Amino acid sequence: DAGITQSPRHKVTETGTPVTLRCHQTENHRYMYWYRQDPGHGLRLIHYSYGVKDTDKGEVSDGYSVSRSKTEDFLLTLESATSSQTSVYFCAISESIGSTYNSPLHFGNGTRLTVT
Amino acid sequence: AQSVAQPEDQVNVAEGNPLTVKCTYSVSGNPYLFWYVQYPNRGLQFLLKYITGDNLVKGSYGFEAEFNKSQTSFHLKKPSALVSDSALYFCAVRDRTGANNLFFGTGTRLTVIP
Repeated sequence: DAGITQSPRHKVTETGTPVTLRCHQTENHRYMYWYRQDPGHGLRLIHYSYGVKDTDKGEVSDGYSVSRSKTEDFLLTLESATSSQTSVYFCAISESIGSTYNSPLHFGNGTRLTVT
Repeated sequence: AQSVAQPEDQVNVAEGNPLTVKCTYSVSGNPYLFWYVQYPNRGLQFLLKYITGDNLVKGSYGFEAEFNKSQTSFHLKKPSALVSDSALYFCAVRDRTGANNLFFGTGTRLTVIP
């Protein structure tokens, strides 16, 4: 799966606790993304990164933060988890966007997070 | 604003029959369009994309999609369905204005009946 590893694959946590999800890539791709997948919503972008220490918000960024200190790692943090953040989280990478924005995304296998 | 609609939550087709999974989009200007497939407990896999040129795009596993600008549609098709094609299919769109987001539809579950 395009050299993308997400950890953990499953996590159950309690409301109010911090949670960090990790995405690791071996492709040396510049762009990395975090999406969440929920029934009836498809996939929605949380945050993305266009380089080391360069990140930006997506459409559902409230309650989430990210960090990218190395090209290969992109971390997603829920500072204080809520039940509405129960979801399946996917990391994705793309080689370049450039001026044509036609690069497909390659996805990891996801992290299933349950907030009780 | 960009958006994608997949009007059918579920599509059932008999093995060997042609299949169509529908997608319509809304975007400013000319779109980049994508189809992805998701198997259980896996991430999305890229199937095909439309950038420019020929309206009929061929992709992986025998799938193709037809871009129709007047109808703002990008339907996914396959001439002869296989049981192994049963999965969740997502259409996605990105505009050409510089936005970095890929907007996904809500997905269509395809079931191919033996």
